Amino acid sequence: EAGVTQSPTHLIKTRGQQATLRCSPISGHTSVYWYQQALGLGLQFLLWYDEGEERNRGNFPPRFSGRQFPNYSSELNVNALELEDSALYLCASSPLVAETYEQYFGPGTRLTVT
Amino acid sequence: AQRVTQPEKLLSVFKGAPVELKCNYSYSGSPELFWYVQYSRQRLQLLLRHISRESIKGFTADLNKGETSFHLKKPFAQEEDSAMYYCAPEFPNKFYFGSGTKLNVKP
Repeated sequence: EAGVTQSPTHLIKTRGQQATLRCSPISGHTSVYWYQQALGLGLQFLLWYDEGEERNRGNFPPRFSGRQFPNYSSELNVNALELEDSALYLCASSPLVAETYEQYFGPGTRLTVT
Repeated sequence: AQRVTQPEKLLSVFKGAPVELKCNYSYSGSPELFWYVQYSRQRLQLLLRHISRESIKGFTADLNKGETSFHLKKPFAQEEDSAMYYCAPEFPNKFYFGSGTKLNVKP
């Protein structure tokens, strides 16, 4: 079974630009989650998509947005990039198992803003 | 507000010693609770979840509702247990991860 995939592996952008990160969930998983992991910090919850709908978002400004496509893949868009957006962005997917959300993670996209 | 705390950034033990990684959360309800692990150069993966009451790789986690804690324990640590461990309580529609504890098991 193929795992969660993310692209690109690395992304270098300039301050003020926009970044688009992509995630393909495990086949059969309908939920996709996005997390930011900045250096020295834990995972910060960004967004949760399920069945094409945004279910919840963390404490991030609106310039962080995304969407989920009919095939359940997802995009994370970060507009007006700031230096502090430099981080590892992790995507996870989950089925609904026994009414809890067990998450399977991708390898991450390293975003560097210069 | 919901919060999760892993008080130790780094925990070093010798092989064969018991290990306990602490996790405390603040929430008035009953969250579902998970531990995730990240071995060197591998992706983050689920270690165990409370609802399953299971032991994975010798690890168990006990929920103490009174203390709102979900500590991860193993009676005899192995070198291959060296990794980063994250406590992850699942509150209604919100997902939190602790800041992680790096476990270093020395030979």
